[in-house]
Amino acid sequence: AQSVTQPDIHITVSEGASLELRCNYSYGATPYLFWYVQSPGQGLQLLLKYFSGDTLVQGIKGFEAEFKRSQSSFNLRKPSVHWSDAAEYFCAVAPTGGGNKLTFGTGTQLKVEL
Amino acid sequence: ETGVTQSPTHLIKTRGQQVTLRCSSQSGHNTVSWYQQALGQGPQFIFQYYREEENGRGNFPPRFSGLQFPNYSSELNVNALELDDSALYLCASSDRTQATFTDTQYFGPGTRLTVL
Repeated sequence: AQSVTQPDIHITVSEGASLELRCNYSYGATPYLFWYVQSPGQGLQLLLKYFSGDTLVQGIKGFEAEFKRSQSSFNLRKPSVHWSDAAEYFCAVAPTGGGNKLTFGTGTQLKVEL
Repeated sequence: ETGVTQSPTHLIKTRGQQVTLRCSSQSGHNTVSWYQQALGQGPQFIFQYYREEENGRGNFPPRFSGLQFPNYSSELNVNALELDDSALYLCASSDRTQATFTDTQYFGPGTRLTVL
């Protein structure tokens, strides 16, 4: 069965600083990979997704993520964080060719200091 | 284009009762998935419906059941509520047009269920 690990429960960064959120997955093959963001009282918004091809994926709001097969990782990055980026971030996987039933990590809560 | 909507926003029930949660899919979407998000956890897949048929189920007991209607709206029903059912219930819709199922899921704001 697939699983996702987000090792950092909470992360605090200063506005304007760079950000990297870690995600490791366990799956027998290369899964489909996603990053979602959830603000308080809101549903999940898709930031970016990886299915195949170029391992560096660009998303919305200036986010990008890099798929590294050798490390089973799909870390999310942003070069300069804005105060509005404070939210909870979830990494998720879906099996290739098996439907889009997502398995989520436990999330990383991002706090941005002004 | 309207997004995914869910009702009600909040709900309080007592143990043993039954509850129905509703979801309206984004226009043109034929697939709906339901997820349970307990406090401090990531969402967990409950089940998925594609063109009114159940198309996969997570590790949830049969007292969790669902329906998808011809207009692709959906219901999640939970019988014999337990305290641990307290959670945010998220609905996600997508448009399954490709065999590889690379469709993107769009989530609603959720229904917060509290079981006392």
